[in-house]
Amino acid sequence: QQQVKQSPQSLIVQKGGISIINCAYENTAFDYFPWYQQFPGKGPALLIAIRPDVSEKKEGRFTISFNKSAKQFSLHIMDSQPGDSATYFCAALGSSNTGKLIFGQGTTLQVKP
Amino acid sequence: NAGVMQNPRHLVRRRGQEARLRCSPMKGHSHVYWYRQLPEEGLKFMVYLQKENIIDESGMPKERFSAEFPKEGPSILRIQQVVRGDSAAYFCASSRTSGGNTGELFFGEGSRLTVL
Repeated sequence: QQQVKQSPQSLIVQKGGISIINCAYENTAFDYFPWYQQFPGKGPALLIAIRPDVSEKKEGRFTISFNKSAKQFSLHIMDSQPGDSATYFCAALGSSNTGKLIFGQGTTLQVKP
Repeated sequence: NAGVMQNPRHLVRRRGQEARLRCSPMKGHSHVYWYRQLPEEGLKFMVYLQKENIIDESGMPKERFSAEFPKEGPSILRIQQVVRGDSAAYFCASSRTSGGNTGELFFGEGSRLTVL
């Protein structure tokens, strides 16, 4: 119940294409869903986040789509660029869990020039 | 305006030795979290601390691992009698508030422990 399942494990996209990463969760107590971006040798950095009271959030080329009834959420990267090549982690946080983020397994994205 | 500082960045220990990893949170942050990342896996929560207090250690192994965040100085994650399975990247994160409301944790660059 505390798991967040992420797919695909790896993704290759051509420059300019759309990258889509999916996550699913079981625990309905989760109420905050951030996405983190991690470059090799670096720590994760917050990319974008959403709460379940909205179905979509967009920041630049990055969009989160959220389906509360299906308990799924996804990250869309529009016009993908080689600089977007990184590992992306979805995560979930319950209101009673102070900072105890539950992370997905990660998706390694490679954007080919 | 320095971010979360972790040291050492790389640490090599032989089985049975002790490893000490240090974390200085961002300025103004009093909440510290430790996460462990095994190769090809996501990050796993270990422990959440505030100054001088352990708030949640539900992710810490029962033996050999301990954490502290003293009134003065950095937070320290201590691993005694290391084994090869302890080889991982250990990330520290900090937040200004409890983090529970926003999930906005700021991560350091990690300490990579290799146990020979």
